[in-house]
Amino acid sequence: SAVISQKPSRDICQRGTSLTIQCQVDSQVTMMFWYRQQPGQSLTLIATANQGSEATYESGFVIDKFPISRPNLTFSTLTVSNMSPEDSSIYLCSASGARETQYFGPGTRLLVL
Amino acid sequence: QKEVEQNSGPLSVPEGAIASLNCTYSDRGSQSFFWYRQYSGKSPELIMSIYSNGDKEDGRFTAQLNKASQYVSLLIRDSQPSDSATYLCAAPIQGAQKLVFGQGTRLTINP
Repeated sequence: SAVISQKPSRDICQRGTSLTIQCQVDSQVTMMFWYRQQPGQSLTLIATANQGSEATYESGFVIDKFPISRPNLTFSTLTVSNMSPEDSSIYLCSASGARETQYFGPGTRLLVL
Repeated sequence: QKEVEQNSGPLSVPEGAIASLNCTYSDRGSQSFFWYRQYSGKSPELIMSIYSNGDKEDGRFTAQLNKASQYVSLLIRDSQPSDSATYLCAAPIQGAQKLVFGQGTRLTINP
């Protein structure tokens, strides 16, 4: 299984600012994903981070709000732009393994004031 | 209809008993199913994957898959307090590698 790290682990931000979350995998992986998890809720997929091309966003998520980069097969970033308190959540990245498995990073806990 | 549904929790089980967690899915084309465990304040951890009809055992965990009934379950034998967590069922969307997660079942093992 892949070992995944995320930075920062948590942050408190002011509304209107942006935060970039980094995700690093210890091996090359085909697919990387970004999820959001609201308190007490399940995981919601934000987008698939595609290496060398634009990310694929799920319904309800747009590139202007959540720009994503994937410069190589081990690294991706998610930016939460122009934040509001509604963006307070846990943001998780995952990496694909064999046979559609996914492994998750430790998450980034974001609080927007 | 949600693509992956889990029985509503919370589920409370006495220590040493069998905990049974259930999940149904709507996509008949799904071939892979996953169970994740998520402790409070932590990220999801993959504990079981199952691809074929029948049972798959790993230690105290058994995953059961019935594709005809579109049903996946997770049994935890000899439940321990350390098994207390939220358990998430997931399946890939057909034709894509992205996973759809159920809403999760919160399990509490009572000493």
